[in-house]
Amino acid sequence: SAVISQKPSRDICQRGTSLTIQCQVDSQVTMMFWYRQQPGQSLTLIATANQGSEATYESGFVIDKFPISRPNLTFSTLTVSNMSPEDSSIYLCSVARLAGVDNEQFFGPGTRLTVL
Amino acid sequence: AQKVTQAQTEISVVEKEDVTLDCVYETRDTTYYLFWYKQPPSGELVFLIRRNSFDEQNEISGRYSWNFQKSTSSFNFTITASQVVDSAVYFCALSEAGTSGSRLTFGEGTQLTVNP
Repeated sequence: SAVISQKPSRDICQRGTSLTIQCQVDSQVTMMFWYRQQPGQSLTLIATANQGSEATYESGFVIDKFPISRPNLTFSTLTVSNMSPEDSSIYLCSVARLAGVDNEQFFGPGTRLTVL
Repeated sequence: AQKVTQAQTEISVVEKEDVTLDCVYETRDTTYYLFWYKQPPSGELVFLIRRNSFDEQNEISGRYSWNFQKSTSSFNFTITASQVVDSAVYFCALSEAGTSGSRLTFGEGTQLTVNP
């Protein structure tokens, strides 16, 4: 398995501000993903973080709102921009060692974001 | 488009009872993987099992067992002799083939409460 850490673990932010969440893995992985889990709901994929190129966003998510960086094979950041209370969620980073449908995904501990 | 349905939103049992969590999926792919994850109150997502579409053998791991039936597109999860520590939200997920990575589609989750 992979050991994944996320910073911050939780934060309370004011409307209109931005927050950058970091995801660090203890070993090189091919795939990194960002998910959002709104209160009491399931996980929704935001984007796939691609190393050295722009992230691939899912329908309903845009780069201006959720810019993502992935400078190397062990690190990625997700920024939640111009936040509103609707952005209050748990944001989870996940990784898979290899590309492909058969590879299990490991999840980080999540970042609990509350926007006032 | 793929879809995962967990019809049971909440289940409450008394300790030592057996409980089955249902999962029904939809996909056009012939090759796919199914997963179960556990999310305890602390929030982290814990991987439980991965099953590929060509392997319909049931699996048992301690008190946990999984029943995969392709004919009914179901991948149900049974906990035998439930314990209070089993209280969590359980997610079923589907990974589709033919994409660049192992992106997951999650069901809505089932909140399991095991009472002493």
